[in-house]
Amino acid sequence: AIRMTQSPSSFSASTGDRVIITCRASQGISSYLAWYQQKPGKAPKLLIYAASTLQSGVPSRFSGSGSGTDFTLSISCLQSEDFATYYCQQYYSYPWTFGQGTKVEIK
Amino acid sequence: EVQLLESGGGLVQPGGSLRLSCAASGFTFSSYAMSWVRQVPGKGLEWVSGISGSGGNTYYADSVKGRFTISRDSSNNTLYLQMNSLRAEDTAVYYCAKDLRSGSLQGAFDYWGQGTLVTVSS
Repeated sequence: AIRMTQSPSSFSASTGDRVIITCRASQGISSYLAWYQQKPGKAPKLLIYAASTLQSGVPSRFSGSGSGTDFTLSISCLQSEDFATYYCQQYYSYPWTFGQGTKVEIK
Repeated sequence: EVQLLESGGGLVQPGGSLRLSCAASGFTFSSYAMSWVRQVPGKGLEWVSGISGSGGNTYYADSVKGRFTISRDSSNNTLYLQMNSLRAEDTAVYYCAKDLRSGSLQGAFDYWGQGTLVTVSS
């Protein structure tokens, strides 16, 4: 199975900050990567698919980039509602796998 | 409006069985692949199983292969997960999720249910 490794696992940030979360695949996955946001007690929400395509209705402050093995999720100006846990997921080959998550906390 | 509503979770003894259901509405159910994804409370996400829109193709994580069976009934727009030989490590919230695009399984999920908790314990 393809292993997805996110970094950092958690960090603190302030409203207005630009934040970057990275995701590395253990082998090449082309652009078959999605990013999700999850808040406590809620289901995940799709933010980005195909590594860089913004899902409908997602604010433009979210962006994704990368291909092959290295990917990033950027939030250009962190808002209060963005404090959550973020997961990357590869859908290049079965079994589809998720990263371990990155928790963004309020500083 | 797309809605996915899971049911069937609960407490079961090790070695027991449970069947989860996911009632879908608001989209053409038979056109979209569906998956089950689970999450141990406080932990990360694990994809469990997926099924094509026609039901003809199914895929499983190694951790559940041979014990879990995914199926779907397009006559009542419902996805199922039959779970047999349950283990303590199967304890998790189980989500059903809809593929972003119609057609074969593609793997990005644009809608998720609210989840149903399965607890395997004696």
